[in-house]
Amino acid sequence: GAGVSQSPSNKVTEKGKDVELRCDPISGHTALYWYRQRLGQGLEFLIYFQGNSAPDKSGLPSDRFSAERTGESVSTLTIQRTQQEDSAVYLCASSPNAGAGQETQYFGPGTRLLVL
Amino acid sequence: AQSVAQPEDQVNVAEGNPLTVKCTYSVSGNPYLFWYVQYPNRGLQFLLKYITGDNLVKGSYGFEAEFNKSQTSFHLKKPSALVSDSALYFCAATNNDMRFGAGTRLTVKP
Repeated sequence: GAGVSQSPSNKVTEKGKDVELRCDPISGHTALYWYRQRLGQGLEFLIYFQGNSAPDKSGLPSDRFSAERTGESVSTLTIQRTQQEDSAVYLCASSPNAGAGQETQYFGPGTRLLVL
Repeated sequence: AQSVAQPEDQVNVAEGNPLTVKCTYSVSGNPYLFWYVQYPNRGLQFLLKYITGDNLVKGSYGFEAEFNKSQTSFHLKKPSALVSDSALYFCAATNNDMRFGAGTRLTVKP
């Protein structure tokens, strides 16, 4: 079946512009995660959605970052007033249910963001 | 704070030799432990996980990992490395939140 998809695959923007990244999770997966991976570094947790519960936003690095998810479907990650330090690959993952985060996560291919 | 450590940024092995990629964790309770692999220009793929039971977990592509509670470690192993195993490997641990290590780049030379 279809895996996690993300769009766009690449995004180049100018410093100060807003960007919106999209994630389509696997159908039926209730949990959705966003991560950031800077070049040569590990995954940095950003935000976690579980069904209709309030999201865990503890990983968002600043108030310029926000994310939404409608029910158990598409999620968008928005970065306002982008900075060069925001350049990274943004990864989305979904899992069948939260299980306190103990389920295997299925990752999308990522969106590569470059802020000039 | 909960964390996962992968002490080696880079591991180099010759094809056919055994490989070990190290991981230690600092997570409260009894966490679930994972290994993911990231091949060049591709997304992360699940490799294996430990939930409970036998300390030796077998996963995809001939990989296995050994859970050691006293040492809070979950090292990834393979008896005989292949050039195609060259990739970035991430260890992860979760109790409530998933925490990833910084990754270890494995290079297998022919």
